[in-house]
Amino acid sequence: ETGVTQTPRHLVMGMTNKKSLKCEQHLGHNAMYWYKQSAKKPLELMFVYNFKEQTENNSVPSRFSPECPNSSHLFLHLHTLQPEDSALYLCASSQERVGETQYFGPGTRLLVL
Amino acid sequence: AQKVTQAQTEISVVEKEDVTLDCVYETRDTTYYLFWYKQPPSGELVFLIRRNSFDEQNEISGRYSWNFQKSTSSFNFTITASQVVDSAVYFCALSDSNYQLIWGAGTKLIIKP
Repeated sequence: ETGVTQTPRHLVMGMTNKKSLKCEQHLGHNAMYWYKQSAKKPLELMFVYNFKEQTENNSVPSRFSPECPNSSHLFLHLHTLQPEDSALYLCASSQERVGETQYFGPGTRLLVL
Repeated sequence: AQKVTQAQTEISVVEKEDVTLDCVYETRDTTYYLFWYKQPPSGELVFLIRRNSFDEQNEISGRYSWNFQKSTSSFNFTITASQVVDSAVYFCALSDSNYQLIWGAGTKLIIKP
């Protein structure tokens, strides 16, 4: 089942580049999430949007900028990243937030040179 | 404080053996939800099960079974007659009144042919 899609699947960028990650959910959900997964570290919640409104920002550096134009699409705009930002970025969605199951996309593997 | 502990960092078994992945959680809430996800090498987190705190009935789905015991704050996952395709990282997670998913560190399961 590909209820949540992410593009691109792989991305290599320099520290001065600007790029965007895209996430789209086809499940009719109202909440969307960005997570960062680094090697040997727990999954880190970055941002949460509920009904297009940002409800969580877990102290994420400003070089990461989320955008949620509607409840089906979520973007993560990247600029002036650091090599330590290299990670797997996962998007998820859920019906609402309270205890609902989150469904994940395949992720974008980002390498910052 | 909410916390999920998966003490087994890595487990390696031979195909067809049974294997149990442990998950211990901490929360002060009486209403909460527990989840298991599978992450194969491709990276996508695949939802396996969601259980609410009021439903202690064990669940079986094919070769997968889950044992929820509130008395020991555990939600263990057993794979019967393991197969090579079961090789993945498995995550246990907790969702409570703070609405965020608290993730365990994951257990890497290796099934050898």
